[in-house]
Amino acid sequence: AQSVTQPDIHITVSEGASLELRCNYSYGATPYLFWYVQSPGQGLQLLLKYFSGDTLVQGIKGFEAEFKRSQSSFNLRKPSVHWSDAAEYFCAVGEASGGSYIPTFGRGTSLIVHP
Amino acid sequence: EPEVTQTPSHQVTQMGQEVILRCVPISNHLYFYWYRQILGQKVEFLVSFYNNEISEKSEIFDDQFSVERPDGSNFTLKIRSTKLEDSAMYFCASGRYDEQYFGPGTRLTVT
Repeated sequence: AQSVTQPDIHITVSEGASLELRCNYSYGATPYLFWYVQSPGQGLQLLLKYFSGDTLVQGIKGFEAEFKRSQSSFNLRKPSVHWSDAAEYFCAVGEASGGSYIPTFGRGTSLIVHP
Repeated sequence: EPEVTQTPSHQVTQMGQEVILRCVPISNHLYFYWYRQILGQKVEFLVSFYNNEISEKSEIFDDQFSVERPDGSNFTLKIRSTKLEDSAMYFCASGRYDEQYFGPGTRLTVT
């Protein structure tokens, strides 16, 4: 069965600093990988996705993620964090099902941004 | 920009009561989903719906749960007889094959 591990429950960074959120997955085939962000009181918003091709994926809001098959990782990065990036971040691995996909989510990493 | 909406934002109900959570998906989407998130835990898949039928469901989605798309726009999740452990945030999502758009959620509290 597929699974996702986000080893950091909380990450604290200063505004303007770089950010890396870790994600490791377990999946037998080539995975579909996603990062979502959830701001307080909001639903999950898709930041970026990887299905195939270039292993460095660009997303919205200046985020990127790199798929490393050898490490079973899909870490999320941003070169300079803004205070508005404070939110909960979820990594997910998707299994194709009936023409769509079903994501399995990690527990999430809470990002705290200090001014 | 179109978005998924959910009502109510918060529902309080007594154990054993039926609840219906409502969602309005984005109009040109074909796939619809329900997820739940118990406080402090992962977001968990409940059910997916396509072409007016359930295409996939998880172990959580037992006989107490049902989904409907009654009028071509709304997408509902019904819990027939709520239990304390059904207290959670319920998210609706709609999408195409490669993306899902989530609503803001309904917080269900069962007392």
